[in-house]
Amino acid sequence: AQSVAQPEDQVNVAEGNPLTVKCTYSVSGNPYLFWYVQYPNRGLQFLLKYITGDNLVKGSYGFEAEFNKSQTSFHLKKPSALVSDSALYFCAVSGITGGGNKLTFGTGTQLKVEL
Amino acid sequence: ETGVTQSPTHLIKTRGQQVTLRCSSQSGHNTVSWYQQALGQGPQFIFQYYREEENGRGNFPPRFSGLQFPNYSSELNVNALELDDSALYLCASSLVPTEGARGYTFGSGTRLTVV
Repeated sequence: AQSVAQPEDQVNVAEGNPLTVKCTYSVSGNPYLFWYVQYPNRGLQFLLKYITGDNLVKGSYGFEAEFNKSQTSFHLKKPSALVSDSALYFCAVSGITGGGNKLTFGTGTQLKVEL
Repeated sequence: ETGVTQSPTHLIKTRGQQVTLRCSSQSGHNTVSWYQQALGQGPQFIFQYYREEENGRGNFPPRFSGLQFPNYSSELNVNALELDDSALYLCASSLVPTEGARGYTFGSGTRLTVV
């Protein structure tokens, strides 16, 4: 069974500082990994995806994520945080179930960027 | 391009009642997936529909059922509502059952409260 762990419920960072939101995964075979962001009372917005290739994946809004196979991690990063980045971030892994394809999400990390 | 539209946005039901939630997929997308997001949790996969057939199901009881129509819109039906069914229900569409380069497109969700 596939699973995702986000060890931090909340991450606080000052605007302009780099941010990291951590994610580790467990999956059989090659992982398809995702980051989504959720603003209050909204659905999920896709940030980026890793399938294969370069370990550093660039996504929307200046975010990037680093895939590390040996550590089974897929941490989300941004060089300079903005107050508007404050939101709930979900890491997810893709897998097949009964012929369908589902995303398994972590429990989420609340990012708070302060002035 | 149009996004994913869900209706209603909010709903209050009484325990034991039945509810139908609706989803219009993004134009050109033939796959719809439904997720349940309880408060403080990550989304949980309910099921996926591809070309009007169920294409995978998560660990949800049979009282959770769905339909997909020829125009690829979808319904989620829940019978015999329980208090624990209170959650944000998210619909996601994709071009194919496996995610495209942009991942799933999620709607803003339906907030269901069971009292």
